[in-house]
Amino acid sequence: GIQVEQSPPDLILQEGANSTLRCNFSDSVNNLQWFHQNPWGQLINLFYIPSGTKQNGRLSATTVATERYSLLYISSSQTTDSGVYFCSLSYNTDKLIFGTGTRLQVFP
Amino acid sequence: SQTIHQWPATLVQPVGSPLSLECTVEGTSNPNLYWYRQAAGRGLQLLFYSVGIGQISSEVPQNLSASRPQDRQFILSSKKLLLSDSGFYLCAWRKTGQGSGKLFFGSGTQLSVL
Repeated sequence: GIQVEQSPPDLILQEGANSTLRCNFSDSVNNLQWFHQNPWGQLINLFYIPSGTKQNGRLSATTVATERYSLLYISSSQTTDSGVYFCSLSYNTDKLIFGTGTRLQVFP
Repeated sequence: SQTIHQWPATLVQPVGSPLSLECTVEGTSNPNLYWYRQAAGRGLQLLFYSVGIGQISSEVPQNLSASRPQDRQFILSSKKLLLSDSGFYLCAWRKTGQGSGKLFFGSGTQLSVL
């Protein structure tokens, strides 16, 4: 079946540190996206990145579709970055599935 | 601009009671619509998605059903709730066709079945 794995499952950082979150997938994909779920449950779309690299402030994302992975970089982390980060993708359909998530805790 | 509305925010229902959660999207036409469920501390499970009026794809066998009576309205229903139906339910939408792009979520409904 379809495999979408995220690592690490949990990450604890001190404010100011940098981090890299990874999303591995098992086949050619479409519509790869990264989300942040805040402590109140709201899901915010960070990047739509089926290939290449994008940056938005302290966040950037890279997808290497041929090698079947995507990375989310968080630089100079802040306490407001805490929450769960998900990648989502589809396999040539409109069915969008989610990875298992990375729970990030940033302490002052 | 496009917006998505989902209600209610919280719901407490007894086992065996019916359920109806509604989601509407404004500012776009013919969106793809999705229902996800999230158990506490877990990932998002795709329940249903729809690419058009009356077109529903079911991903998980269960006692839930979905309907799309209008272009921008997506309803999640159950005739008799089970304890295992408790969770955080999220509606989402995205554009269809080439470059359909980002998925956007509503604010969610926290359902507790007691």
